Amino acid sequence: EIVMTQSPATLSVSPGERATLSCRASQSVSSNLAWYQQKPGQAPRLLIYGASTRATGIPARFSGSGSGTEFTLTISSLQSEDFAVYYCQHYNNWPPEWTFGQGTKVEV
Amino acid sequence: QVQLVESGGGVVQPGGSLRLSCAASGFTFSSHGMHWVRQAPGNGLEWVAFVRYDGSTKFYADSVEGRFTVSRDNSKNTMYLQMSSLRAEDTALYYCAKDVGAMMPWGQGTLVTVSS
Repeated sequence: EIVMTQSPATLSVSPGERATLSCRASQSVSSNLAWYQQKPGQAPRLLIYGASTRATGIPARFSGSGSGTEFTLTISSLQSEDFAVYYCQHYNNWPPEWTFGQGTKVEV
Repeated sequence: QVQLVESGGGVVQPGGSLRLSCAASGFTFSSHGMHWVRQAPGNGLEWVAFVRYDGSTKFYADSVEGRFTVSRDNSKNTMYLQMSSLRAEDTALYYCAKDVGAMMPWGQGTLVTVSS
C-alpha cells in the first residue's frame, strides 16, 4: 500500500504571498498524482491531475510539479478565496489504488 | 452541467444497514467509473469504493470490504452503496465522484451517523 505524506500540516501565509505545499509518496507513483482544494462546508474540488495539468476552470496561479515520489503544489499569489485545505491523491486503475494524503491547511 | 447528488444518509444503530444513492446528470453516466469517498468529522478524505462503468468490476477499501457493496443502475443514472454491519467508525460524510483518472466532480455528500 502506498502512503501519501503531506507537509506541512498547516501553512500560514499572507494574501499575495507564494505558498508551496509538498506531497511525498512512499514509492513511485509516476505522474498519477492529483491535488484537491476543500473549503469549509464544501466538497473537494479537483485542481491538478497528472501531477501538473490544471483542471478545467482552475486559475493559472495554481501549478503542480514533480514525478515519482516528490510533488509540489504552488499557489503563486494567494487570494482570499484560496485559504482552504489541500489534499494530494495517488490514483491508479490497475492495480487499483486511490490514496489521499492527510491534507495541508493554508491559513492566514 | 455535470451534477452528482447523494441521498440516503441518516442515523443508524451499530450493526445496522443503510443504502446511499448517487444520482448523476449532465454526462454519459454509463461511460464512467464512479467512486465513493468518505470524510469523518474533522478528518481527511478516505476512498471507500469504485465501480467500473459497466458495473462489472468493483473495488473496496480494506476498512469496508465484506460489509459494503457498491452497484449501479445505468438505466437510472444512479450509483448505490449498500452498507451493512455499520460501526461507529463509519460515521462520516459520504461523497460520490466521477472517475476521470482523478475524481471530478464531487457531489455535496450525505451524512451517515452510526450511534446508539
